[in-house]
Parts: sequence; structure tokens; C-alpha cells
Amino acid sequence: DQQVKQNSPSLSVQEGRISILNCDYTNSMFDYFLWYKKYPAEGPTFLISISSIKDKNEDGRFTVFLNKSAKHLSLHIVPSQPGDSAVYFCAASGLGAGSYQLTFGKGTKLSVIP
Amino acid sequence: GAVVSQHPSWVICKSGTSVKIECRSLDFQATTMFWYRQFPKQSLMLMATSNEGSKATYEQGVEKDKFLINHASLTLSTLTVTSAHPEDSSFYICSARDDRLFSNQPQHFGDGTRLSIL
Repeated sequence: DQQVKQNSPSLSVQEGRISILNCDYTNSMFDYFLWYKKYPAEGPTFLISISSIKDKNEDGRFTVFLNKSAKHLSLHIVPSQPGDSAVYFCAASGLGAGSYQLTFGKGTKLSVIP
Repeated sequence: GAVVSQHPSWVICKSGTSVKIECRSLDFQATTMFWYRQFPKQSLMLMATSNEGSKATYEQGVEKDKFLINHASLTLSTLTVTSAHPEDSSFYICSARDDRLFSNQPQHFGDGTRLSIL
């Protein structure tokens, strides 16, 4: 049973345009959501997070939106740059998930085309 | 800040060998460390959670006698794959988090260890 789902395994975007990565979750106990970026043969790098008490968090070119009623979150990258090309993982945690462990989606591979 | 160092980055060894992987938080104290395994084109699968000074909590299906975890200090955790076999070949990643002040803190990851058992 996959509690965090990233339904798009890949996404291609032109440089300078907006990249939108989507994530859905099923566990209503999740209250903290994170996005990680991962290059091949490296560990994930923390990008941005959002608590369930908010619906938006912004950090530079990265904005995360949370729709609790729909159990959906998205990461917007604008403008997209070639260096953003990587696999992006959505993750969630909460008391119900136990000890604030992270549950990861399968990732979306973003390719930003120059 | 929040740098996690994992060593070694790549190991190739013969079947039956035990392999130790180190995970260090360089600029913060890690009250909790996590060990993950990643198969090709799959997500990160949590293997175990360890808190400094106490026994690790293993996820269902993970053999605790096979994957020994030690979290002896606030900056170091080790994972030992005992009597490794080819099916243990994988990408192992650790992460660390400081839970002392706030509950919702991101985990910071090491760069992973590619383990290949011949």
C-alpha cells in the first residue's frame, strides 16, 4: 500500500518555464511534507518543507503548495534551470507514521531542456 | 550546515564478507539516524531507525542480525552488513536529524554507499 504517490515518473520542461511536480498521499495522519532532490549516486538533498498548518511555503525559486482536503501537494520551480534536472522525491511524516519517520514517493525525474 | 558524511561511497567484496558503513553528522548532533536501502528505479525503503544510546528499531522484513546498527554517539551511526551475499548488493543511504528542539525537522542525507557483493 503506497501511502505517498508520485504518479509522474518523468517530466520535461523548457529552461525558463515553470516545473510542477505533483504528489498525493493517503494517510490523513501525515502532517509534515518535504521535497528532496537527488542526483544519481548521491543522497537526497533537502529542498523545502511544509507543515500541515500552512498551504504554501516559498523559498527562492521553489514553492510548495499543500491541499489538505485533496491530500495533494505540489512543488513549483520557476524559472526552471538545467541544473534542476534530477529526481525529485516527495516525502511525508506524522505521528501516525511512527516516530516522525519519512515515507517517500517513488520520485519524478525532471529534465530541464536548455 | 547540516552535512552528513557517509563512508565508504563504494564497496566491492566477496560473498561472506562483513561490511561496515559509517554515517557521521559533521556540524550538528543527530539524535536520530535512519538507514535506507534503494533498489534501481525504486524509492528509498527505510530499514531501521536508531536513537543515540539505544537499540535500533527495524522495519518489518529487515533482519536485525543481518544488518547490525550501532548509534554510539550523537554524531556517528554504523551499519554492518554481516556475511553479505549477492542479494545484499544495493545502494544504502543514511540520514540524520536533530529532534531535540523541534519535532518537525528534515532529515539530512549522506551520499550513500554502493555495495556490490561478488
